[in-house]
Amino acid sequence: GEDVEQSLFLSVREGDSSVINCTYTDSSSTYLYWYKQEPGAGLQLLTYIFSNMDMKQDQRLTVLLNKKDKHLSLRIADTQTGDSAIYFCAEPSGGYQKVTFGTGTKLQVIP
Amino acid sequence: DADVTQTPRNRITKTGKRIMLECSQTKGHDRMYWYRQDPGLGLRLIYYSFDVKDINKGEISDGYSVSRQAQAKFSLSLESAIPNQTALYFCATSEHGTSSGGEQFFGPGTRLTVL
Repeated sequence: GEDVEQSLFLSVREGDSSVINCTYTDSSSTYLYWYKQEPGAGLQLLTYIFSNMDMKQDQRLTVLLNKKDKHLSLRIADTQTGDSAIYFCAEPSGGYQKVTFGTGTKLQVIP
Repeated sequence: DADVTQTPRNRITKTGKRIMLECSQTKGHDRMYWYRQDPGLGLRLIYYSFDVKDINKGEISDGYSVSRQAQAKFSLSLESAIPNQTALYFCATSEHGTSSGGEQFFGPGTRLTVL
């Protein structure tokens, strides 16, 4: 089966950087995604990276992709309490008909 | 107004009861999905539909059925609810397949508890 793996929990202090890691399975994935789920809400696309890129930066967010190791990471600089959420990495699956989500990493930001 | 809505938002029911969860969208998307979320397991796909006449099973379809009444409506039914179906259920839509980078848009979720 297809398993996208993440650690379940991360705790950081406000102002520090957060790094959320993900291991995906399909080396041919064209895109890889990061979704954010705030408390009591559905998931929202946070950012994505094309597989021909090693890095993508968007304000406080940096996505790193290591295709050789099938490893994806999301770095949040200057983490704020509003960043507290569950973060899911995801990859296309089923011939791009679907998306397979990781287990989710719950980020707790301590004031 | 929300683009993807789910009703009810919360439901408590008893073992053996039939339950229907409803999803409506105003995004005009053809593709709709039902997921369940369990702590530590992430999101798992139950069913998906690419148009009114196209319904597909996901990885955990046993015990569930769906109906795509219109492009905008996709309902999930639990024919005879059991306690291990207690979970958070999400409906999602997308405009096209992920080969074009299609983003999925999620509803707010339905929290279902089966006693």
